[in-house]
Amino acid sequence: AQTVTQSQPEMSVQEAETVTLSCTYDTSESDYYLFWYKQPPSRQMILVIRQEAYKQQNATENRFSVNFQKAAKSFSLKISDSQLGDAAMYFCAYRTGGAGSYQLTFGKGTKLSVIP
Amino acid sequence: DTGVSQDPRHKITKRGQNVTFRCDPISEHNRLYWYRQTLGQGPEFLTYFQNEAQLEKSRLLSDRFSAERPKGSFSTLEIQRTEQGDSAMYLCASSLGGTTGNTIYFGEGSWLTVV
Repeated sequence: AQTVTQSQPEMSVQEAETVTLSCTYDTSESDYYLFWYKQPPSRQMILVIRQEAYKQQNATENRFSVNFQKAAKSFSLKISDSQLGDAAMYFCAYRTGGAGSYQLTFGKGTKLSVIP
Repeated sequence: DTGVSQDPRHKITKRGQNVTFRCDPISEHNRLYWYRQTLGQGPEFLTYFQNEAQLEKSRLLSDRFSAERPKGSFSTLEIQRTEQGDSAMYLCASSLGGTTGNTIYFGEGSWLTVV
């Protein structure tokens, strides 16, 4: 079974600074997808960024980018120019690329605080 | 696009009672998922539908839990004889068919408190 580990329960960053959230995963598969989701307090979970395992290029979405190290099974999220609205729980998630299972496996999350 | 909607948003029930949650997915999405999230944890997969067929169930889905999606549109999740350990947020999500990489959109969740 796949597992996802987020080793930082809480992180903080000064507004306008850069922060990196860590995620490692364990899998024997070669075809899979990785995701970062953001869950603000009492709000719905939204997708921040997605990475296909077969793509060597790291995904980027505006101020959000990932560092995908397939051999090391590492998938970190970098938030640049942090804003107050970035404060939330961030979850790393894994999904197989093969047929048979459509479930997302989540890590325990990292609570990000943004300091004005 | 009204997003994934869930009802009720909050439910307090006494132990032993039955509760039912409803989920309305994004209209063109044929895949629907249920997850459970407890405080301090990430969501855990419960079950998945493609149209009206329930194709995958987690071991977390005990026989007190039943999920349906009768016409391939909305879904219900019923918990019978609730226990205090059932207290959690129940998240519904939906996505388009096709690859497993398609974005999954989540609802705001239904909080259950069993007293």
